[in-house]
Amino acid sequence: DTAVSQTPKYLVTQMGNDKSIKCEQNLGHDTMYWYKQDSKKFLKIMFSYNNKELIINETVPNRFSPKSPDKAHLNLHINSLELGDSAVYFCASSQGKGPQHFGDGTRLSIL
Amino acid sequence: GDSVTQMEGPVTLSEEAFLTINCTYTATGYPSLFWYVQYPGEGLQLLLKATKADDKGSNKGFEATYRKETTSFHLEKGSVQVSDSAVYFCALTPPVGNQFYFGTGTSLTVIP
Repeated sequence: DTAVSQTPKYLVTQMGNDKSIKCEQNLGHDTMYWYKQDSKKFLKIMFSYNNKELIINETVPNRFSPKSPDKAHLNLHINSLELGDSAVYFCASSQGKGPQHFGDGTRLSIL
Repeated sequence: GDSVTQMEGPVTLSEEAFLTINCTYTATGYPSLFWYVQYPGEGLQLLLKATKADDKGSNKGFEATYRKETTSFHLEKGSVQVSDSAVYFCALTPPVGNQFYFGTGTSLTVIP
């Protein structure tokens, strides 16, 4: 009965590849987020969806494309992976502007 | 624009010591304020929150008071344990709009 679940937990891949990370929440929340956390633990918001509509789209390379097929899912697709994309990516959800619930993260390593 | 500033770490304390992690914010109006904790290898978890001035959030022995006059939301605990070792994030959401702002995080290590 995990609240926010991300897959995969670990992702190791070569530069130039395309990969996707999936996120699902079973809390009935209407808002979902993607964050990137670097090696110094700095957390940067990337995208946010409310009821499948994109509401926050921070300055990230357009190689990153989110997709929300329904309120409970928010996936992140990354094209042409680069070394600088290595980080931990967190999915989160909230009901409106309430507290956010985070997944356990996807650790992406680019070789 | 709105932002959150946290004291830099890392912070190392002995067990049973008193903890303060400073957090100040810049925002228009009355934002909601949060402290999140991230244990090694895990995602962030909500620790406590406060939604209006003079509110005190508390959980697991941690406390923070929403001070509008000093625009602060400092985290305190009277007696830390080894199990409190984690990274702590201060955060705010403004009264208008959908943004959520996190501080840079403060790493705490508690040694026996």
